Amino acid sequence: GDSVTQMEGPVTLSEEASLTINCTYTATGYPSLFWYVQYPGEGLQLLLKATKADDKGSNKGFEATYRKETTSFHLEKGSVQVSDSAVYFCALCQAGTALIFGKGTTLSVSS
Amino acid sequence: GAGVSQSPSNKVTEKGKDVELRCDPISGHTALYWYRQSLGQGLEFLIYFQGNSAPDKSGLPSDRFSAERTGGSVSTLTIQRTQQEDSAVYLCASSSTANSNEKLFFGSGTQLSVL
Repeated sequence: GDSVTQMEGPVTLSEEASLTINCTYTATGYPSLFWYVQYPGEGLQLLLKATKADDKGSNKGFEATYRKETTSFHLEKGSVQVSDSAVYFCALCQAGTALIFGKGTTLSVSS
Repeated sequence: GAGVSQSPSNKVTEKGKDVELRCDPISGHTALYWYRQSLGQGLEFLIYFQGNSAPDKSGLPSDRFSAERTGGSVSTLTIQRTQQEDSAVYLCASSSTANSNEKLFFGSGTQLSVL
């Protein structure tokens, strides 16, 4: 079945460092891809999405590009802030099915 | 309401007891989803509803788990004869449609602890 694999955490960075969280997927067909974020004490919320190959989703300085050839959707940010500390989930969705999530990657940014 | 509301926010129960978790989706949202979040397991899909029907129940871990949705709105997830491995955060989400591109809005979850 469809699945999402993302890098194990935790990821610990200093403020202003660059970030990459790897995400790869296995799916039949052409899923939509998402990154959701869970800030401490808050509910999950959508960070960005891409619905077809070569699309780039972006929000709050984060970017991810839908790469069909490598079945990847890596999350990147050039300069992280302490406020970016959260758990990040990669996910995919196909028509008629529910979102399938990866296991989550915890990011901790220190000043 | 303004967001997805779940109750109770915390539930402590004894092994073997039944529990009922409630989800109030955003008004007008036709699709409703239940997930379970366990340490080290990430987000595990349980069931989703389109209106009052459940096209996909494949994630329910055992026949002790059931869910229903009435009036196309409120949903309840029932766990019978709870076990310690049922301890987790149960998350509900809703979206305006079941379209694969649609953004999900999540509630804050119910933290279930089975002693």
